[in-house]
Parts: sequence; structure tokens; C-alpha cells
Amino acid sequence: DAKTTQPPSMDCAEGRAANLPCNHSTISGNEYVYWYRQIHSQGPQYIIHGLKNNETNEMASLIITEDRKSSTLILPHATLRDTAVYYCIVRVARKGSTLGRLYFGRGTQLTVWP
Amino acid sequence: DTGVSQDPRHKITKRGQNVTFRCDPISEHNRLYWYRQTLGQGPEFLTYFQNEAQLEKSRLLSDRFSAERPKGSFSTLEIQRTEQGDSAMYLCASSPRDHEQYFGPGTRLTVT
Repeated sequence: DAKTTQPPSMDCAEGRAANLPCNHSTISGNEYVYWYRQIHSQGPQYIIHGLKNNETNEMASLIITEDRKSSTLILPHATLRDTAVYYCIVRVARKGSTLGRLYFGRGTQLTVWP
Repeated sequence: DTGVSQDPRHKITKRGQNVTFRCDPISEHNRLYWYRQTLGQGPEFLTYFQNEAQLEKSRLLSDRFSAERPKGSFSTLEIQRTEQGDSAMYLCASSPRDHEQYFGPGTRLTVT
């Protein structure tokens, strides 16, 4: 699985958009980009994933560059409860695959301030 | 609550003792994962089950570690002859398919 690079920390004002970058320059054509977050003392929480196209759900938007070498997770209106470590992960996912593991790095500590 | 549950939430044990943790996945999730997380690090993969079959094991899973999922439902992770380096948060996750994994709250192990 390709390696990802994220800034160790970021901060954001409450109500503003939080844009979390991730570099994955060695990503392969069949590798997806996943984002998880971990609020202090809790298990990680799935946010969103994508392959090529931009994706949006009720939590966030995922923007993947055309060359797929980087992506940005966007929290459109950050709240204090979004303070967490955000992990960007690339992983092969195909039907019948036994490659179940997720490789977490150290992630980005996002702090949302009032 | 129909999420992933883990028991116990906290365990303190003396070095050399055996410990066993339990994970109950979300109902009908056929995939189950164990991870370990130490302070300041992201979770590290330990092992993966699809139904009752253990399909993938990390090199982190030494001979002292064993995991089972006997009927394809709940899973147990046993650590024999615990060492201080085993102190960590042990996380379980389940998944109905190939993408999102749903994590439990974890079991925090402290080996004294």
C-alpha cells in the first residue's frame, strides 16, 4: 500500500471550513483513498473514501487531484466536536480481496477553536 | 447501541500473566479486524478474519498472541506471558464489505 504524508497539526476556527491535505504520490491505479478520524480516547471513525472522483457525504467532502497524487478532506463547517486526529490512508480494495488491513500513519491533529 | 463492543474496557495485569479480550462486531458483519495502538501512534494492524477464517496476520502478532473467531461472530484476542511492551490500546473493527471499518471503543491494557 502506498505511503501518505500529512501535516502533523492544523487548526481552524469554529464555523469555518477545515481543509486537511494528504500527499500520496506513489498511489497505484487500484488504490483507494480513505479518511478516518479519532477523537481522543475513542476508536477511529470512518469518514469517507474515493478512487478517482470527488466524493461528498453528510460528514465531509473528498477532493482528489486529477493525477491522484494528493487529496484534501474538507469539513465544510467545523465544530468543536471535530477536534480529532485525522488519518489519510491509501489501500487496495477489490472484491474478494484478503487485503483487509488499514495502514494508519500519525495523521493530522486538527484543533477547532471557538 | 448496535456498534462494535469490546470487553473489558480496561485491564491491568502483572507481567507474565495471560489476558483475553473479547470483541462483539456489528451483527452480520462478516469481516473482523484487530489493531493495536500505542500512545502517540496510529493504530497498527494485527489480524483479520472473514467469517471464522483468519486470513491475514501481521508480523506484530508474535507467538504469544492468538486470535479466534470460532463461529464467525464474536472474536477473542489472547496474549500469553504478557510483557510491559504489550501495554497498549487494543482495537477491534468490523465491516460488512470491502471499504469502511467500524471500530469499537478499545481495551486499554496496562502491564505492570
